[in-house]
Amino acid sequence: DTGVSQNPRHKITKRGQNVTFRCDPISEHNRLYWYRQTLGQGPEFLTYFQNEAQLEKSRLLSDRFSAERPKGSFSTLEIQRTEQGDSAMYLCASSLVPETVEKLFFGSGTQLSVL
Amino acid sequence: AQSVTQLDSQVPVFEEAPVELRCNYSSSVSVYLFWYVQYPNQGLQLLLKYLSGSTLVKGINGFEAEFNKSQTSFHLRKPSVHISDTAEYFCAVSHPSGSARQLTFGSGTQLTVLP
Repeated sequence: DTGVSQNPRHKITKRGQNVTFRCDPISEHNRLYWYRQTLGQGPEFLTYFQNEAQLEKSRLLSDRFSAERPKGSFSTLEIQRTEQGDSAMYLCASSLVPETVEKLFFGSGTQLSVL
Repeated sequence: AQSVTQLDSQVPVFEEAPVELRCNYSSSVSVYLFWYVQYPNQGLQLLLKYLSGSTLVKGINGFEAEFNKSQTSFHLRKPSVHISDTAEYFCAVSHPSGSARQLTFGSGTQLTVLP
């Protein structure tokens, strides 16, 4: 059990560029969550997957954001046409149904800076 | 809708002194309650959780919290803090019967332990 892995750890990009983050959950976990954390705030829910199905999306997830989990293992989060307001820490978490939030494991996050 | 309020954004305390980090929640139904800790450049780590049963919950690193339904609070306490407890602490809530059962976090409390 190597924990939840996120790559890259840091990403600096220019406004208008596209970026993609990757999350590798704990291997047997079937539920995967994405959260966003801005400076001085707690994490905010973005979306979650159960296996490969994306079951819920927050209204925070604008049309420029897309998340996938094609084989029910790793997940990617893409942001198109980045804006300065997208600068944040993007956190991934995973769990094993039926214990979902009761046993949620977080990765170290990807820190995005949009210049 | 549920929400979490952490009343203190920063709490400085001297080493070996007791500490209490306050958390109040708002929900019209029963909830699960959590405290997470985040060290610099790391993901969130679960300290303790209240799901049901005894209202006094003990967690890792000597922390404990008490669920008070009448006051809708879940304050975190430690009788004697160490320098290594310096970190950001997040209170979170979840509905047991919610579809995704994702976590709603407070804005965090920065605990700084002074020598």
